[in-house]
Amino acid sequence: GENVEQHPSTLSVQEGDSAVIKCTYSDSASNYFPWYKQELGKRPQLIIDIRSNVGEKKDQRIAVTLNKTAKHFSLHITETQPEDSAVYFCAASIIGGGNKLTFGTGTQLKVEL
Amino acid sequence: KAGVTQTPRYLIKTRGQQVTLSCSPISGHRSVSWYQQTPGQGLQFLFEYFSETQRNKGNFPGRFSGRQFSNSRSEMNVSTLELGDSALYLCASSFLAVGDEQFFGPGTRLTVL
Repeated sequence: GENVEQHPSTLSVQEGDSAVIKCTYSDSASNYFPWYKQELGKRPQLIIDIRSNVGEKKDQRIAVTLNKTAKHFSLHITETQPEDSAVYFCAASIIGGGNKLTFGTGTQLKVEL
Repeated sequence: KAGVTQTPRYLIKTRGQQVTLSCSPISGHRSVSWYQQTPGQGLQFLFEYFSETQRNKGNFPGRFSGRQFSNSRSEMNVSTLELGDSALYLCASSFLAVGDEQFFGPGTRLTVL
């Protein structure tokens, strides 16, 4: 089955700096890659997703890149703010294979003032 | 539009008991997936239901089961509870059947004593 690895497990940045979180996946059939943000005590919320027919997608301060050949995808957050502090999860699934998400282990992002 | 709801929010059980958790998806959503979240294992997929049929199943023992009703509400059941079943159980609903955004509920925190 699919396996998703996520690094780093913790990330501390200064406010205004950029943060990058990286994931690799094992199943070349995976073609949908969402990123979820989970604040303490709250439910995971989708912040951005990408499908394998594109290499990059941006939404304001957040961007995701995908390298299908290397089976890598990354989340980039620019101009980080304290409210970006949360746990971020990457995930992978196969469109057409139902809504089964395989998650990475999460990255605790801390944005310091 | 009301979000995904889960009941109960908190549950305390003892080993050997069984438990039923409920999930009401967003109106119009027909796919419901269940995930177990623990500090050690992260977010792990349990199963997915679509139109009352189980479409996908994760790698959990047969003590974990689920079902979906004609109104798309879903329940999951865990029999013969073990200490290791203590976790946050999240359900997520989506509109489409194929790799669509999943909206998570607030979760049910199960503690097994």
